[in-house]
Amino acid sequence: AQSVTQPDIHITVSEGASLELRCNYSYGATPYLFWYVQSPGQGLQLLLKYFSGDTLVQGIKGFEAEFKRSQSSFNLRKPSVHWSDAAEYFCAVALSSGGSYIPTFGRGTSLIVHP
Amino acid sequence: DAGITQSPRHKVTETGTPVTLRCHQTENHRYMYWYRQDPGHGLRLIHYSYGVKDTDKGEVSDGYSVSRSKTEDFLLTLESATSSQTSVYFCAIGETGLDEQYFGPGTRLTVT
Repeated sequence: AQSVTQPDIHITVSEGASLELRCNYSYGATPYLFWYVQSPGQGLQLLLKYFSGDTLVQGIKGFEAEFKRSQSSFNLRKPSVHWSDAAEYFCAVALSSGGSYIPTFGRGTSLIVHP
Repeated sequence: DAGITQSPRHKVTETGTPVTLRCHQTENHRYMYWYRQDPGHGLRLIHYSYGVKDTDKGEVSDGYSVSRSKTEDFLLTLESATSSQTSVYFCAIGETGLDEQYFGPGTRLTVT
């Protein structure tokens, strides 16, 4: 079955440290990939997306993600975390279903930032 | 910010009662989605719409129905609310099924 896996439920980092959030997908073809962020009590906001082309994509707020076909991964990175980055992060995949592309979200990774 | 509103924002209802949540957009996007968000489960798709009167089921559609009689409105109905439907419900819109989605602020529903 097609799926999206975020292996880490929680990640704790110190402010200023680097960050990598993992995302793996199970899908026969190259999917359309997204990372969203959700601040407490808010809806989700798109950080970045990958459709094709350069496998390293840049997003908002200093985030980037790298698509690795061989590993079926789309990991999110940031070189230096700020306290305001504390939030829930969701990886999502758009999968083909009967002519439409249906989004599937991972379960999310909660980022905790220590001062 | 994309023009998406959800109403009500909070609702408490009793088991067995019908409940309708409304999503309204001002962006004229073709696709509209309803998700529920529960701890440990992330976002799960309930139903989606790809045009007026065109809807389809998502991953967790049992106990829910939807209607879309005009582009801007997408209604989610819980036919007979159960405690397992206590959740936060998000509406999202997108120009195409492949494009990014824009999310509403959410509706917190409690079924007692």
